[in-house]
Amino acid sequence: NAGVTQTPKFRVLKTGQSMTLLCAQDMNHEYMYWYRQDPGMGLRLIHYSVGEGTTAKGEVPDGYNVSRLKKQNFLLGLESAAPSQTSVYFCASSYSIGGKGKNIQYFGAGTRLSVL
Amino acid sequence: AQKVTQAQTEISVVEKEDVTLDCVYETRDTTYYLFWYKQPPSGELVFLIRRNSFDEQNEISGRYSWNFQKSTSSFNFTITASQVVDSAVYFCALTFGNQGGKLIFGQGTELSVKP
Repeated sequence: NAGVTQTPKFRVLKTGQSMTLLCAQDMNHEYMYWYRQDPGMGLRLIHYSVGEGTTAKGEVPDGYNVSRLKKQNFLLGLESAAPSQTSVYFCASSYSIGGKGKNIQYFGAGTRLSVL
Repeated sequence: AQKVTQAQTEISVVEKEDVTLDCVYETRDTTYYLFWYKQPPSGELVFLIRRNSFDEQNEISGRYSWNFQKSTSSFNFTITASQVVDSAVYFCALTFGNQGGKLIFGQGTELSVKP
């Protein structure tokens, strides 16, 4: 019953460093998403993917890149981390739109990232 | 514009009180879906309920109930006889039929239930 797994759970970076967050899901979901959560702002969509090999920008994509080489994995990259990217990052997955219960997004446990 | 507003930033109640969390949404789409998620202190997001725009029936699940009113663009969440374990941040969210499933979240309401 793994569901959506995010690694790592915590990370501290220095300004300018790079890193990749990994999201893996075992529910055979077509859609995957990366959100960031900041105090008082709810969750905001960074990038998303509607299938293997496809990605699209969300509400706050600047400073991030993503890749979906395999259906079960969705990677979020920070090429040059900035203090403004200090946040909690959540990955989610869902079936495609339509059908009963098919667009419910299931979330990972989150990654807490601090950029100093 | 599509938007979700949770005007209550923080609510504090004493155990066994009933509490209602408000959610107001804005959309011009006729097909949309509304959700509530719970984020306990441990940090994960837990799905509670989904409602589509064509189904205005209220729903009850144990101590939880949801009131969906298209006339006022509201999807409120009531916890009856609150318990300490209900302490969490609750998010209301919205998605659309042609938007790749992207969720638009409200700011969240932090509920604190004191013994």
